[in-house]
Formats: sequence, C-alpha cells, structure tokens
Amino acid sequence: QSVLIQPPSTSGTPGQRVTISCSGSSSNIGGFTLHWYQQLPGTAPKVLIYGRNQRPSGVPDRFSGSKSGTSASLAISGLQSEDEGDYYCAAWDDSLNAYVFGTGTKVTVV
Amino acid sequence: EVQLVQSGSEVKKAGESLKISCKASGYWFTRYWIGWVRQMPGKGLEYMGIIYPDDSDTRYSPSFQGHVTISADTSINTAYLQWNSLKASDSAIYYCVRKSGYFHSDFDSWGRGTQVIVSS
Repeated sequence: QSVLIQPPSTSGTPGQRVTISCSGSSSNIGGFTLHWYQQLPGTAPKVLIYGRNQRPSGVPDRFSGSKSGTSASLAISGLQSEDEGDYYCAAWDDSLNAYVFGTGTKVTVV
Repeated sequence: EVQLVQSGSEVKKAGESLKISCKASGYWFTRYWIGWVRQMPGKGLEYMGIIYPDDSDTRYSPSFQGHVTISADTSINTAYLQWNSLKASDSAIYYCVRKSGYFHSDFDSWGRGTQVIVSS
C-alpha cells in the first residue's frame, strides 16, 4: 500500500484544465523533491516533472507541478486527447528508505 | 541518447530461477544509479531497488529485500534482476530505470519493460 495517495481517476473535456492531487507526509513530499510520471496506454512511464517543477525537453508547458507542505498537485491545462493515461507522483521516503510511487490517477478525456 | 534495452518476455514455472537484463548505452554507465520498477497486471508502479555500478552499492525497497537480487556488470554496461525461486505473484512487467543523479532523484530514462509470466 502506497504512502502517497492520489485520486483514482479524473476526467475533463478537451481544452479544460484538470488537476491531480498527491498527499504524503514529512518523510516524503515534505522533505524531498516530488516527481510526476505519465504512462500512456501500453507504454513505459516517462517523467513529466522533476526537481523544482522542471519539465524535461519535449514535455509541453501545459503540464505544471506545485507543492505545499506534504501535498502536491499536477495541473494539465488545455487538456488534449493524447493526455489520456495514468499519472503517478513519486518521491524519496526517508522513513522507508525507499523511493515511493503514488497510487496513480487515470485521466480520461471525455 | 540514453537507451535502456531490456531482455525479452519470459514464461516460467513457479519455483524456477530467472535473470532478466538491461543493457545501457549513451551515457557513462558506472556513474548513474540504475534499477528496477515492477508493475503487476492492471496495477501501479512499485520501486524495487537500485544499484550504483561504480561500487555495486545496492539499495532495495523493504518490500523486495531478500526476494530479488539486483546486480550490474560494468564490462558490458548491463544491469540485472534475478529471482532464485519464482512465484506466481511475480508475474508482472519489470521496467529498467536510470536515476537522473543522486539516489533521491527522478527516473529520467525507462526501458520498454520485460514481461514475466509465472505459472503455478
């Protein structure tokens, strides 16, 4: 059972803005950088947000991350059909001495 | 360009041993943490552990400690994930991953995954 909790699903229409929350604790989100990963259907995950809300080259600026205390969120603005997939937050956890992934959120474009 | 090329799908029986591989290229292999992430059918991502090839420092998730072995061969830039006795519950896709820097950092490169099917 993951220590980073995300909503199981969210949906939006094309062009809409959606946000995904990630709730943790002082031993993970509260003390370390938070990362976001995108997994499109049938493919390997890839990193979306790393460091201090940085995006790797090729990731559109429609994706943005924020963190406050022991919680974080990923915002997708201008939602597109190709954004459909699963999104995971992740961080190092000092209590577990392990990297932990969130429970994952399925994004559907309706 | 960083590439992580994983070995092919495996179909095994419970109790058998298995070693899957991940050949890295496009970067200095010994200077980056490399490891494994499990994804069981229809489920989320689970961190298994990482190894620093330069000195073989290996860090396991408590959930996987003692159940698998992570190793690396610096002569051929390849990381491995090994089981001595598979269980049906080991059926999953296993992704090879590279840390972008220090071991708290993100996984900036992923292999395509190796599917392992274990029959009971």
